[in-house]
Amino acid sequence: DSGVTQTPKHLITATGQRVTLRCSPRSGDLSVYWYQQSLDQGLQFLIQYYNGEERAKGNILERFSAQQFPDLHSELNLSSLELGDSALYFCASSVGTENIQYFGAGTRLSVL
Amino acid sequence: GENVEQHPSTLSVQEGDSAVIKCTYSDSASNYFPWYKQELGKRPQLIIDIRSNVGEKKDQRIAVTLNKTAKHFSLHITETQPEDSAVYFCAASMNQAGTALIFGKGTTLSVSS
Repeated sequence: DSGVTQTPKHLITATGQRVTLRCSPRSGDLSVYWYQQSLDQGLQFLIQYYNGEERAKGNILERFSAQQFPDLHSELNLSSLELGDSALYFCASSVGTENIQYFGAGTRLSVL
Repeated sequence: GENVEQHPSTLSVQEGDSAVIKCTYSDSASNYFPWYKQELGKRPQLIIDIRSNVGEKKDQRIAVTLNKTAKHFSLHITETQPEDSAVYFCAASMNQAGTALIFGKGTTLSVSS
């Protein structure tokens, strides 16, 4: 167990819908990262937050957004879902001084 | 931005053989290079990492080498076992808090007994 908690484990929804994925980082970790893993694209960085503030953006679609709350948990919001958004979404966290990232178990999103 | 290439995409070895996975990166500012192992349906797990002030690092049967001049780094697994079968990902980033990892596309390692 990495100490990073993601909920839900599985999510099945329809095209056009909106979902929220939740991540609780390891105790003491200030940075939270979101990654998308699809079969053909591997692990792609989406967005990163540090202590409540957005720090970096990767290949994140405009339909996707995220935030980090004062208790340091983070939520990834995916809206106007398309079939191609079906993927595993991982959250990772790291401590404030180094970049060693620990991954959660992921949320498997299926858009039907 | 950083780009990481990983080869081969699949690798099949016999139990007891060695396996080598190679990665190249593009951004000379990158100085942190972790390797993750991902079993089917599981989370990526960090197995070893190396920083640019070190050329080689070993942990039991696993070793990583780094050639910063050539922008190459490699994972070496010796005496492979069936439980080493998994997808292995290399990544590159700056070694400071809050820097995204840029991953290679992964290598599926199959170890047959």
